[in-house]
Amino acid sequence: SQQGEEDPQALSIQEGENATMNCSYKTSINNLQWYRQNSGRGLVHLILIRSNEREKHSGRLRVTLDTSKKSSSLLITASRAADTASYFCATDLTGGGNKLTFGTGTQLKVEL
Amino acid sequence: GAGVSQSPSNKVTEKGKDVELRCDPISGHTALYWYRQSLGQGLEFLIYFQGNSAPDKSGLPSDRFSAERTGGSVSTLTIQRTQQEDSAVYLCASRQGPNTGELFFGEGSRLTVL
Repeated sequence: SQQGEEDPQALSIQEGENATMNCSYKTSINNLQWYRQNSGRGLVHLILIRSNEREKHSGRLRVTLDTSKKSSSLLITASRAADTASYFCATDLTGGGNKLTFGTGTQLKVEL
Repeated sequence: GAGVSQSPSNKVTEKGKDVELRCDPISGHTALYWYRQSLGQGLEFLIYFQGNSAPDKSGLPSDRFSAERTGGSVSTLTIQRTQQEDSAVYLCASRQGPNTGELFFGEGSRLTVL
C-alpha cells in the first residue's frame, strides 16, 4: 500500500471557498512535502514541513502536521480556478535512504 | 540549465522495442530520481542516484528496466523489450543533495507502447 494516502481522492468546490486535503502515512518521517501537478505537467513543490514543526504557512497555503497521528493537511484558502490541479503529499522517511515516497493524490477542481 | 529537462516528451513505440529516456538535471544537483506515473495514478518510485551511484534501485519493476548516470549529471532510463504495461509518464527530478528538501521535476516523458 502507499506510504502516503491522500483523501479525498477528488474534491470539487466553488471559487472563493477553502479546500482541505489530508495525507496519512505509516512510518516515521524527516519531513513531509506537498506538491501540485497541473494536468500533463511535472510536479511543482509547494511547501515542506519538518517532523518537529506543527504548522506552516505560505501565502494562501497552510499545512499542519500531526506526527502522533501520522497525518498532515493542506488548506488552500480563498481558492481560485487556477488552483485546479492534483495535489500530492510526499514523505521523506527516517532511514528511508533519501527516497521521497508520494501518495496517490487529490484531484481538486475549483469552479467559477 | 534553468530546470530539469527530459527528452523525448512523447514516445510511441511498438511492443518489444527498446526505448531510452533522458534526463538532464539542474546543474549542481547531485541527487537524481526517476518516477513512473500511470494514467490518473500517483508516483511510483523507480530509482535514485547520488552522484553516479545508485544506492536505491528498489523500485525498478523488472530486469528490463535499467538506468545509468554519467559524470554526475545526465541520466538515461532504458526499457528493453517494452510491454504495453510500460505505458506511462516517466518523471525525472533532482535536488541539491541527499536530504536537502524539495525535488525539482521535469515535464516528463510520455511513453506509449502499442
